[in-house]
Amino acid sequence: DTGVSQDPRHKITKRGQNVTFRCDPISEHNRLYWYRQTLGQGPEFLTYFQNEAQLEKSRLLSDRFSAERPKGSFSTLEIQRTEQGDSAMYLCASSYLAGVEYFGPGTRLTVL
Amino acid sequence: QQQVKQSPQSLIVQKGGISIINCAYENTAFDYFPWYQQFPGKGPALLIAIRPDVSEKKEGRFTISFNKSAKQFSLHIMDSQPGDSATYFCAVSGNTPLVFGKGTRLSVIA
Repeated sequence: DTGVSQDPRHKITKRGQNVTFRCDPISEHNRLYWYRQTLGQGPEFLTYFQNEAQLEKSRLLSDRFSAERPKGSFSTLEIQRTEQGDSAMYLCASSYLAGVEYFGPGTRLTVL
Repeated sequence: QQQVKQSPQSLIVQKGGISIINCAYENTAFDYFPWYQQFPGKGPALLIAIRPDVSEKKEGRFTISFNKSAKQFSLHIMDSQPGDSATYFCAVSGNTPLVFGKGTRLSVIA
């Protein structure tokens, strides 16, 4: 499969715990994006990398959230001290051209 | 301020009918207008996209109509099928990450 992959697909955690998600983009894509989607809403932009450089962060990305793309390939999104309001689908997308984004299947996070 | 307004919120269409979903945007700097299709529990899938140098683009049963002066674009699904039942999102980009509309839940009934 040459599409965007995300791991895990589902994560259930208790409030206050830390969680980390991984995204593997399409291999030739140099841009990688993280979005969050809640029920009944469209995806909302969180942050964006071009190669290993984090170029943009949304104001939605509180200081409890951190993202990395260490070698310009896969990326991780960590949420520290999770809150119930963090429950959502976390989507990763990659692109070669600006805007032409291909999404992964998402990681569904449930915070109890 | 909502950068992209999508309507309707939900749509029920008879099998074989035409489904029409509309989006309006404010910022004239946007230059890429995709539509995504999302099934429950899945990530959004790029369906069709247009750039402002053309007014219409057709791919199979899916057509985008683009009105630059009105800052509006729409998705038309011809001969709608039950398998088209999904949530559709318009989005905009201006060499920036995508900004999405709130989605339209389409149900195609036999």
